[in-house]
Amino acid sequence: KQEVTQIPAALSVPEGENLVLNCSFTDSAIYNLQWFRQDPGKGLTSLLLIQSSQREQTSGRLNASLDKSSGRSTLYIAASQPGDSATYLCAVPNAGGTSYGKLTFGQGTILTVHP
Amino acid sequence: KAGVTQTPRYLIKTRGQQVTLSCSPISGHRSVSWYQQTPGQGLQFLFEYFSETQRNKGNFPGRFSGRQFSNSRSEMNVSTLELGDSALYLCASSVAWGTSPDTQYFGPGTRLTVL
Repeated sequence: KQEVTQIPAALSVPEGENLVLNCSFTDSAIYNLQWFRQDPGKGLTSLLLIQSSQREQTSGRLNASLDKSSGRSTLYIAASQPGDSATYLCAVPNAGGTSYGKLTFGQGTILTVHP
Repeated sequence: KAGVTQTPRYLIKTRGQQVTLSCSPISGHRSVSWYQQTPGQGLQFLFEYFSETQRNKGNFPGRFSGRQFSNSRSEMNVSTLELGDSALYLCASSVAWGTSPDTQYFGPGTRLTVL
């Protein structure tokens, strides 16, 4: 059974800092890994999807890396801003032939960026 | 292109009642998945539909059911509501043209409160 863990559970940083969010998963037979952002009481916004064949994916100030063999992914946020404050979640599809539509999520990292 | 829409956005019900939630996927998306989000359990997969067929199901009691229509719109139903069913219910859609899981796009969610 796939398990996803995110560290740290919460992070508070001053504006302008570069920061790293960590995600680990127990079953390395994944198709891809997706990072999401969730604002309080809202739905999830897809940030990045990394295919299993990729090592990195970038979008603006965000960079996500994937190391399948070690079961880890990191989300790097450069020059953080107060608007980045949200919960960040990573998720992987269920391994094997029954993967469709089923994502296993970590518990998330609550990020607060203060001015 | 319009995003995933969910109706209603908020719902208050009493124990024992039943409820139906609706999800309209992004145009052209054929797969719809449902998730329950609670503070204690995080995001948990309910079920996934593709071409009107349930392809995958999470570990929830039979009181939780769903269906998908020919236009890919989906509904989920919860019968005999319990206090513990209070949660944010999220719907996600994906293109699902290939055989590998692809990016999932989430709606804003339906906040269900059971009194």
